[in-house]
Amino acid sequence: AQSVTQLDSHVSVSEGTPVLLRCNYSSSYSPSLFWYVQHPNKGLQLLLKYTSAATLVKGINGFEAEFKKSETSFHLTKPSAHMSDAAEYFCVVSDRNGYNKLIFGAGTRLAVHP
Amino acid sequence: AAGVIQSPRHLIKEKRETATLKCYPIPRHDTVYWYQQGPGQDPQFLISFYEKMQSDKGSIPDRFSAQQFSDYHSELNMSSLELGDSALYFCASSFDRSYEQYFGPGTRLTVT
Repeated sequence: AQSVTQLDSHVSVSEGTPVLLRCNYSSSYSPSLFWYVQHPNKGLQLLLKYTSAATLVKGINGFEAEFKKSETSFHLTKPSAHMSDAAEYFCVVSDRNGYNKLIFGAGTRLAVHP
Repeated sequence: AAGVIQSPRHLIKEKRETATLKCYPIPRHDTVYWYQQGPGQDPQFLISFYEKMQSDKGSIPDRFSAQQFSDYHSELNMSSLELGDSALYFCASSFDRSYEQYFGPGTRLTVT
């Protein structure tokens, strides 16, 4: 079965400093992995996706993630945090055995301080 | 570009009442997924449809039913509502069961 584990429930950074949100996955085959962002009382927005092409994936708003098979990780990074990045971030894997339904991690709440 | 439409956006119901949530997928998308996000929780898969047939089922209560119609829109029917059903309900659509799903804005259901 596929699953993702987000290693931090809360991350706090200062504006202008790097962001690292950690995610490990478990999958019996090469997974399709995603990061979604959810701002307060808003819907889900796709940040980026990995689908077995390049291991370094660039997304919107300066975010990127690196797929590391040896470490079963898909960490999300951004060189410089902005106040508007404060939100909930979900690491997600698709379940190919389940018609690609999405399996969400528990989420990481990112706080950005001035 | 057209996006996934969900209606209503907000719904308030009392316990034991019935609610119907609607989802209109992106044009030409034939697959619809429903997810439930409780307060402070991650979204959980409920049910999906491909070409008007149920394709997969998750942790959906027996009190809930859903279907996909000939125009590919989907409806989630929820009966005997409980306080614990209060949540944000997302619909997502894709083409041919692709992992690339597009989410609607969600329907916030409050049961009092």
